[in-house]
Amino acid sequence: AQRVTQPEKLLSVFKGAPVELKCNYSYSGSPELFWYVQYSRQRLQLLLRHISRESIKGFTADLNKGETSFHLKKPFAQEEDSAMYYCALNSGGSNYKLTFGKGTLLTVNP
Amino acid sequence: GAGVSQSPSNKVTEKGKDVELRCDPISGHTALYWYRQSLGQGLEFLIYFQGNSAPDKSGLPSDRFSAERTGGSVSTLTIQRTQQEDSAVYLCASSRTGDDEQYFGPGTRLTVT
Repeated sequence: AQRVTQPEKLLSVFKGAPVELKCNYSYSGSPELFWYVQYSRQRLQLLLRHISRESIKGFTADLNKGETSFHLKKPFAQEEDSAMYYCALNSGGSNYKLTFGKGTLLTVNP
Repeated sequence: GAGVSQSPSNKVTEKGKDVELRCDPISGHTALYWYRQSLGQGLEFLIYFQGNSAPDKSGLPSDRFSAERTGGSVSTLTIQRTQQEDSAVYLCASSRTGDDEQYFGPGTRLTVT
């Protein structure tokens, strides 16, 4: 069975500090990994996906198959980054359902 | 353009009543998903539609839950004989094709009293 673990429910950093949101997954095949973000009173939206290898809003995430991790990083956090972040996995094949972690609430303090 | 819409935005119902939740996906999106977001459980997959057929219903928690999609567009999630543990935010998402980005709706907050 596939599983996504986000070990931190809450993460608090100061503006300008580096931030890393951890995500580990369990899946025997070759999954596709995503980070979704939900800002206050907004709907859930895609932040980035590992196959695109993009940097969005200064965030990057590298898939480490050896450690089965997909940590989200940003070198200098901004107050507007405060949000709920979800790591998600798609097992591929013909079914594209997402398996989500339980989320990390990031607070960036001024 | 218009995003995924869901109605109602909030629903309060008494235990034992049936409820219907509606999802209008983005026009032209062939794939549609239902998820449930509840305290302590995070986001859970319920059901996936490709066109009008549902190849994966594995996330439906019990036979009280059912969903249909008509005309390759609107979908309805029905919960019969609601229980308090059904209280959650029900999210709908659609994507252009199966492997494309999923766009989420604002959700329906269901409260069972």
